[in-house]
Amino acid sequence: ETGVTQTPRHLVMGMTNKKSLKCEQHLGHNAMYWYKQSAKKPLELMFVYNFKEQTENNSVPSRFSPECPNSSHLFLHLHTLQPEDSALYLCASSPGIHTQYFGPGTRLTVL
Amino acid sequence: AQKITQTQPGMFVQEKEAVTLDCTYDTSDPSYGLFWYKQPSSGEMIFLIYQGSYDQQNATEGRYSLNFQKARKSANLVISASQLGDSAMYFCAMRWTYNNNDMRFGAGTRLTVKP
Repeated sequence: ETGVTQTPRHLVMGMTNKKSLKCEQHLGHNAMYWYKQSAKKPLELMFVYNFKEQTENNSVPSRFSPECPNSSHLFLHLHTLQPEDSALYLCASSPGIHTQYFGPGTRLTVL
Repeated sequence: AQKITQTQPGMFVQEKEAVTLDCTYDTSDPSYGLFWYKQPSSGEMIFLIYQGSYDQQNATEGRYSLNFQKARKSANLVISASQLGDSAMYFCAMRWTYNNNDMRFGAGTRLTVKP
């Protein structure tokens, strides 16, 4: 248990649906991250927020839209996804330049 | 180019034996951090151990130790006295001090501990 929670743990959605992934941490960390983990590919950084401000967008398609309303919560809004977007989406938080602590992930399946 | 390489897709080890998981990296920057994470089948990435590029001694955390050879740009993870619960994917990762947003992961090694 790292103190980073993610909901839902599993999500199945159609290509026309709109859904959101939620990440929460009460560790006092100032940085939060979204990663995508596809089968047989290294973990890919998607977005970074520092003190609620987006500081990194790693060329992610606009069908993924992040939101960070406060330093404890991070959302990933999904719309008109493609089957190739099916993956494990991991959220992480960090107090600074040191270790990132990960949540359990949301396993997303796009039909 | 910043790159992390794990050349062992899969490894087997007998319970109670030690095992070494390889990790090499490529960077021209002098200041960086190296990490190892464990990912069981449940999906969560569990932080195991950290080594800073200027640390003089190899990092150790319980049964985990990091064999850091800076000149060779390698940061191998050694797990001593393997347990069945150690069966998982293991990822090596690197983070640069100049841009601490950027954390790169290797492709991972699947470790299976045999009883």
